[in-house]
Amino acid sequence: GEDVEQSLFLSVREGDSSVINCTYTDSSSTYLYWYKQEPGAGLQLLTYIFSNMDMKQDQRLTVLLNKKDKHLSLRIADTQTGDSAIYFCAESIRGKLIFGQGTELSVKP
Amino acid sequence: DAGVIQSPRHEVTEMGQEVTLRCKPISGHDYLFWYRQTMMRGLELLIYFNNNVPIDDSGMPEDRFSAKMPNASFSTLKIQPSEPRDSAVYFCASSFPGVVDTQYFGPGTRLTVL
Repeated sequence: GEDVEQSLFLSVREGDSSVINCTYTDSSSTYLYWYKQEPGAGLQLLTYIFSNMDMKQDQRLTVLLNKKDKHLSLRIADTQTGDSAIYFCAESIRGKLIFGQGTELSVKP
Repeated sequence: DAGVIQSPRHEVTEMGQEVTLRCKPISGHDYLFWYRQTMMRGLELLIYFNNNVPIDDSGMPEDRFSAKMPNASFSTLKIQPSEPRDSAVYFCASSFPGVVDTQYFGPGTRLTVL
């Protein structure tokens, strides 16, 4: 079935790296996505990776994709308090996005 | 560019009343999605449109929910009659022509049904 799993919480100190992990089920997904949701706001597209890529880097963000294990991760370097939010991974299946439950990232000063 | 616009941002109503949520997608986007977010169920896709035509409404919870897209720049999600369990944040999203998967979300409407 269609399922995307994430851990629910992650707490880091300001300046450390954060790694948010995600597993998905459908190997035919063309793209995999990371969205960020700040309190009281909608989801903001952070980055995405095409399924034939292993890694994508965008400033402080690094996305790693292990297609064999169906594992996706988002690394945020030099995490700041402004990065505190809920992060959702999503896989695309037949034109629809299937979202994980979201990982709440808490950044402590 | 203006992003996806939703109104109202907050809605408080009483059980049994009709509720209408509105969405204006990003200009030029031809896919429009309605989602519902709750603590218990996370983010659920309710329905989506392509070129104003409903493509998949399998996520619509029951007949009390209906959605329309009369033109490329406007969509509504209606709940009639509303129930307390409909309380949630409702998001609208739109996406590029031909790149259906990359969706841009509106700020959401927080609905409270008393």
